[in-house]
Amino acid sequence: TQLLEQSPQFLSIQEGENLTVYCNSSSVFSSLQWYRQEPGEGPVLLVTVVTGGEVKKLKRLTFQFGDARKDSSLHITAAQPGDTGLYLCAILYNQGGKLIFGQGTELSVKP
Amino acid sequence: DAGVIQSPRHEVTEMGQEVTLRCKPISGHNSLFWYRQTMMRGLELLIYFNNNVPIDDSGMPEDRFSAKMPNASFSTLKIQPSEPRDSAVYFCASRLQGIEAFFGQGTRLTVV
Repeated sequence: TQLLEQSPQFLSIQEGENLTVYCNSSSVFSSLQWYRQEPGEGPVLLVTVVTGGEVKKLKRLTFQFGDARKDSSLHITAAQPGDTGLYLCAILYNQGGKLIFGQGTELSVKP
Repeated sequence: DAGVIQSPRHEVTEMGQEVTLRCKPISGHNSLFWYRQTMMRGLELLIYFNNNVPIDDSGMPEDRFSAKMPNASFSTLKIQPSEPRDSAVYFCASRLQGIEAFFGQGTRLTVV
């Protein structure tokens, strides 16, 4: 059983469309991170959310942490081919020492 | 800083052979993680170290896998003997406590 469930697993859209991907758990977390991974590279941190209900924006990307700190979403406005990649959510588990990832959402944005 | 450095980038080996993957973390980071990534299972944590000490190795698949961190600037992940099902991309990451994890470019292992 995955500690973090991400959906959808795969998403293929056209340039200019909006999309939302989700990261859910039955557990409460003190913080949650979103990473993006491009082919042939390791994941790179996009954002960390800490407070329930928190919203953070990174250009066209909007991240939200659920009020109960059990879930998070990533919304991309007007997607571009450069947004293509694997989006991973992650939590610090076991008193902040252990970094655990969800399965990821594979996003493909076609021109 | 050059970031987290992993070697080799690619490794092809025959079943039964010993494989050693290497990682140089970012200087000053006190946590080091080894992950394995496959299409089926995603990014799985194998083991992590704090201040060179293994803290949690519950993700290590079986006794064929072992990891060491003899000093703050070097870690190895060894598979002996290797099997085809070990084929995956292995990532090393390092972190300063409470801050983001930085990943290496990974080692793509193929066991034939």
